[in-house]
Amino acid sequence: GENVEQHPSTLSVQEGDSAVIKCTYSDSASNYFPWYKQELGKGPQLIIDIRSNVGEKKDQRIAVTLNKTAKHFSLHITETQPEDSAVYFCAASKSNYQLIWGAGTKLIIKP
Amino acid sequence: NAGVTQTPKFRILKIGQSMTLQCAQDMNHNYMYWYRQDPGMGLKLIYYSVGAGITDKGEVPNGYNVSRSTTEDFPLRLELAAPSQTSVYFCASRIANTEAFFGQGTRLTVV
Repeated sequence: GENVEQHPSTLSVQEGDSAVIKCTYSDSASNYFPWYKQELGKGPQLIIDIRSNVGEKKDQRIAVTLNKTAKHFSLHITETQPEDSAVYFCAASKSNYQLIWGAGTKLIIKP
Repeated sequence: NAGVTQTPKFRILKIGQSMTLQCAQDMNHNYMYWYRQDPGMGLKLIYYSVGAGITDKGEVPNGYNVSRSTTEDFPLRLELAAPSQTSVYFCASRIANTEAFFGQGTRLTVV
């Protein structure tokens, strides 16, 4: 069935450096790709998303890139700050109820 | 705007007891989901609904039941609780190809 692979499972970066998390999806019909941040004890919250007709999207320090040919998309966080420490999930969706989740990446920002 | 509301936030059950986790959304979303998240793990889909009166199993439905009599409410029923059902449960809602909104979660312990 459809799946989304997410790497790495844990990422530790120095404060101020950049962090990159990558996801690969299997269903070429997927056309919506959200990224969620989950802080300790809370539900996941959307931080950025991208649709299949767009190659890149930015929102301040966060950006997402999409390569439809290779079927992968990435989250880029620049100038990382302590409050960026969290678990990040990617997902892929078609034009229906399905929302296939990656396994998550624990991002640790070292002071 | 309340978004997705889950109750209770915490619950301790004894083995063999039953309970209902409540989920309500006020965004008129047609799709609703129940996930469980074990410590340090990702989201596993228990059940989902594409509209009032329509529900279907996800990847881990055993031991659970759902109903969707209205657009707003999507309760999750646990019958004969087992220690393996100790987890954090999240309800989410969305419309196709848009952001999923999550509740704050219900932390359930079965002893």
